[in-house]
Amino acid sequence: EAGVVQSPRYKIIEKKQPVAFWCNPISGHNTLYWYLQNLGQGPELLIRYENEEAVDDSQLPKDRFSAERLKGVDSTLKIQPAELGDSAVYLCASSRLTGSNTGELFFGEGSRLTVL
Amino acid sequence: AQSVTQLDSHVSVSEGTPVLLRCNYSSSYSPSLFWYVQHPNKGLQLLLKYTSAATLVKGINGFEAEFKKSETSFHLTKPSAHMSDAAEYFCVVSDQSYNTDKLIFGTGTRLQVFP
Repeated sequence: EAGVVQSPRYKIIEKKQPVAFWCNPISGHNTLYWYLQNLGQGPELLIRYENEEAVDDSQLPKDRFSAERLKGVDSTLKIQPAELGDSAVYLCASSRLTGSNTGELFFGEGSRLTVL
Repeated sequence: AQSVTQLDSHVSVSEGTPVLLRCNYSSSYSPSLFWYVQHPNKGLQLLLKYTSAATLVKGINGFEAEFKKSETSFHLTKPSAHMSDAAEYFCVVSDQSYNTDKLIFGTGTRLQVFP
């Protein structure tokens, strides 16, 4: 089966510009996650969706970050305006079961953002 | 709150020698613990998981981990390293407080394998 697909893989923008990342989860996976991974750090959860509902967005900086998951499948993460500190890898993951008790998340390869 | 501490940021071994990647956890609940691996430019992949069944957990590619409650540890081991094991390894705990359940990652251990 196809894995989690993310695009773009790499993005370089100037500060104050907008940027958007797209994620297509594994077919049939109802739960979708966006994680932020800074250099030398482990991933940190930004937002989790159950179908089209954002059930945990407590770590999403809502002043500049937004996300949507229309129709409960694909998802988009947007940053507007981007700041230098937003340079990082943005990871999308999906899982079949509700919640993460199984711990088995399937990750995409990530979108690496560089803000100049 | 749950957390994990990976005690080594870098580990270097020779091919064919044992691997030990150390992880300590902190949890108010009976924890669910995991190890994930991240190869360069690849997505994170689940290696193994502990969810209160057997304390010795076997994963993919010959890795295993032992849950030790008395030491609050969940170290990852492999008897014989292979060049393809070179990657970043993350110890992970599931935060099950407040009826949420999200994964909390450690800072990672980079494993280098020398020929």
